[in-house]
Amino acid sequence: ETGVTQSPTHLIKTRGQQVTLRCSSQSGHNTVSWYQQALGQGPQFIFQYYREEENGRGNFPPRFSGLQFPNYSSELNVNALELDDSALYLCASSLPADGQETQYFGPGTRLLVL
Amino acid sequence: GDSVTQMEGPVTLSEEAFLTINCTYTATGYPSLFWYVQYPGEGLQLLLKATKADDKGSNKGFEATYRKETTSFHLEKGSVQVSDSAVYFCALSPRAGFQKLVFGTGTRLLVSP
Repeated sequence: ETGVTQSPTHLIKTRGQQVTLRCSSQSGHNTVSWYQQALGQGPQFIFQYYREEENGRGNFPPRFSGLQFPNYSSELNVNALELDDSALYLCASSLPADGQETQYFGPGTRLLVL
Repeated sequence: GDSVTQMEGPVTLSEEAFLTINCTYTATGYPSLFWYVQYPGEGLQLLLKATKADDKGSNKGFEATYRKETTSFHLEKGSVQVSDSAVYFCALSPRAGFQKLVFGTGTRLLVSP
């Protein structure tokens, strides 16, 4: 069974640029959630995708957007990067249909905005 | 709204000491409760969970009991090891609606030999 994978592991961008982060969900999981973890803080929920549709969103502006593909992998896109977007971005997959709420996390992508 | 409050760290212990990390929550309904652990430079790993009142989650010597009357889910371990040094996050998942996790701010544990 393959766990959650994310790419790239590290990324450096400049303010105003756009970035795309990628996530492959654990085998058999059809739901992907994205979280932002600023340094020294707990993860904050960005949004969730279930069967290619956005299934809930946290308190993040529209320049944070996402996609989920038929194989349940997912992308997080951030436009017009700001310095405060520097953080660890975590992807988590789950299978809500089995009645479990457990989310399994990938290793994260560390984004630095200069 | 839903929220989780954890004790501030760092918590500094000697090897074989007893560990308690306090966690309380605010939520409507009956959430599921989780402890995740984050080792340096890594993502989050699920440590244990409990889905209803009075359930006890346990794993790798760690335990936590879902206390609805005190809205708490304190993490305990009888004898910590140096390898337990990490940041521990308490989290909840609301019972109703979609499955987002609400995290506390994390508690850093440092265990010395």
